[in-house]
Amino acid sequence: NAGVMQNPRHLVRRRGQEARLRCSPMKGHSHVYWYRQLPEEGLKFMVYLQKENIIDESGMPKERFSAEFPKEGPSILRIQQVVRGDSAAYFCASSPETGVGPTDTQYFGPGTRLTVL
Amino acid sequence: DQQVKQNSPSLSVQEGRISILNCDYTNSMFDYFLWYKKYPAEGPTFLISISSIKDKNEDGRFTVFLNKSAKHLSLHIVPSQPGDSAVYFCAASAGGGATNKLIFGTGTLLAVQP
Repeated sequence: NAGVMQNPRHLVRRRGQEARLRCSPMKGHSHVYWYRQLPEEGLKFMVYLQKENIIDESGMPKERFSAEFPKEGPSILRIQQVVRGDSAAYFCASSPETGVGPTDTQYFGPGTRLTVL
Repeated sequence: DQQVKQNSPSLSVQEGRISILNCDYTNSMFDYFLWYKKYPAEGPTFLISISSIKDKNEDGRFTVFLNKSAKHLSLHIVPSQPGDSAVYFCAASAGGGATNKLIFGTGTLLAVQP
């Protein structure tokens, strides 16, 4: 059973370009979460999606950032007009369902390290 | 506002001894707590979790203790092994609602000396 897949693992962009980060959840998981880890900090929640729905985007910056989880295909985190402050590790996690208990456990992918020059 | 705090940035322990990692939280709505282990350049790996209705959960060498009145939890690793050397993150969620987002602490770097 493959784990959470993320690609690319490393992404270099120049200021003003667009960055697209992809996440394929574990088989059987329908919930996807995106987190960002800035240097020397912990992981910060960005957005929680189910298929074709954004459930909670309270951690997303108001501008330039968007996320989707289409009916078919991976979840995409899109950053438009990147700036140097967007340089970070972006982690995707998936879980089978919500509610209290073991099924809530979020399993993380290896991350995408974005560097903005 | 840091709702989940890990006040020790690092911890060094001898192989075979007990490692105790601590975590404090401020939000009384948190009802589910998790510990993740992270190696450099990898994603966090789930270790162990505990619901707020319990005060202890054990899985092999790992035990998590929860003290709700003190809003404190700890992870015990015994015996510690060199392969346990990693950054350990405490995380919490307020389950039962529409969202299941995790709030993470800043991590504790554990170094287990051979």
